[in-house]
Amino acid sequence: DSGVTQTPKHLITATGQRVTLRCSPRSGDLSVYWYQQSLDQGLQFLIQYYNGEERAKGNILERFSAQQFPDLHSELNLSSLELGDSALYFCASSRGQTTDTQYFGPGTRLTVL
Amino acid sequence: ILNVEQSPQSLHVQEGDSTNFTCSFPSSNFYALHWYRWETAKSPEALFVMTLNGDEKKKGRISATLNTKEGYSYLYIKGSQPEDSATYLCAFRNSGNTPLVFGKGTRLSVIA
Repeated sequence: DSGVTQTPKHLITATGQRVTLRCSPRSGDLSVYWYQQSLDQGLQFLIQYYNGEERAKGNILERFSAQQFPDLHSELNLSSLELGDSALYFCASSRGQTTDTQYFGPGTRLTVL
Repeated sequence: ILNVEQSPQSLHVQEGDSTNFTCSFPSSNFYALHWYRWETAKSPEALFVMTLNGDEKKKGRISATLNTKEGYSYLYIKGSQPEDSATYLCAFRNSGNTPLVFGKGTRLSVIA
């Protein structure tokens, strides 16, 4: 158990809908990262927050947004969902933001029908 | 776009065999190289973070080396056991302000 929690574990929804994925980092970690794992793709970095502020952005679609709250938990919002958004979404956390080890949560499996 | 390549894509070994696989990354700018172990139905688990050329790290039967000048890292597993079966991911970072770029992994199966 890495200490990073993600909810829900599974999510099934329809195209066009909007969902919110939630992540709580390990106690004391200030950075939260979001990754997407699609079929046959490696882990794709979406976005990073550090102590409430956005620090780095990857190939995150405009339909996707995220935030980190004062208690350091983070939410990833996915809207106007398409079939291709079906994937495993991981959250990871680290103490700081440089060479620190990232600890991964169990992931949320999103299925868009 | 940074390219992180891992080879082989998959590997089957017998219990007790030693094995190794490769992670290749751009050698022009280097900041850090991470190795992760990812078992099916679980989340990636950190093995090593390597930052210096020539670094060697060890955790039990698993060890890793780093060559930043030529852009590769090796992961070695000595005396493979069935519980070592997993996908091994490497991830590269070329500066402190850029995110990790992951390879697609090497899927290891250890046959008893």
